[in-house]
Amino acid sequence: AQTVTQSQPEMSVQEAETVTLSCTYDTSENNYYLFWYKQPPSRQMILVIRQEAYKQQNATENRFSVNFQKAAKSFSLKISDSQLGDTAMYFCAFMKRGYGQNFVFGPGTRLSVLP
Amino acid sequence: NAGVTQTPKFRVLKTGQSMTLLCAQDMNHEYMYWYRQDPGMGLRLIHYSVGEGTTAKGEVPDGYNVSRLKKQNFLLGLESAAPSQTSVYFCASSYSRGGGSSRNEQFFGPGTRLTVL
Repeated sequence: AQTVTQSQPEMSVQEAETVTLSCTYDTSENNYYLFWYKQPPSRQMILVIRQEAYKQQNATENRFSVNFQKAAKSFSLKISDSQLGDTAMYFCAFMKRGYGQNFVFGPGTRLSVLP
Repeated sequence: NAGVTQTPKFRVLKTGQSMTLLCAQDMNHEYMYWYRQDPGMGLRLIHYSVGEGTTAKGEVPDGYNVSRLKKQNFLLGLESAAPSQTSVYFCASSYSRGGGSSRNEQFFGPGTRLTVL
């Protein structure tokens, strides 16, 4: 079974600075996807970024980028130029390719962006 | 395009009562899921469906039943609610089972906060 670990229960960052959220996972699979979801106080789960394991290039979405280290089974999220609206819970998630029902979430990191 | 909607948004039950949570999606997705979210535990899969008329158990199915009579709807039932079922429930849907298409992300509803006294 796959597991996802987020070792930082809470983090804070000053507005306009950069912060990195950590995620590690355990799997014996070779074909899979990794995701970061954001859950603001509204409770809505919002996809931030996705990474296909077969792609070596790290995914980027505007101010959000990942550092995907397949051998180390590490998938960190970097948020540049942090904004107050980035305050949220962030969940790392793993999905084995072809098995959408096996979406495994980490416990989450609560990020606070301070003015 | 409403995406994924959930009814109700909040509910308080007494132990032993029953209720049904409704999830609807208008994206023509094949896959639908029910999760529960508890503090410090992320989201855990309760049941899922790979298409109309099909359902399967997830990680924490005990105490819940589901039905998918129509492709766009996925119902989660609690026959005899227990305090341990106090949680936030999320419904999600996805286009495919994630076989390679980029459209493999899950889209989430706004959640239902359920309290069982």
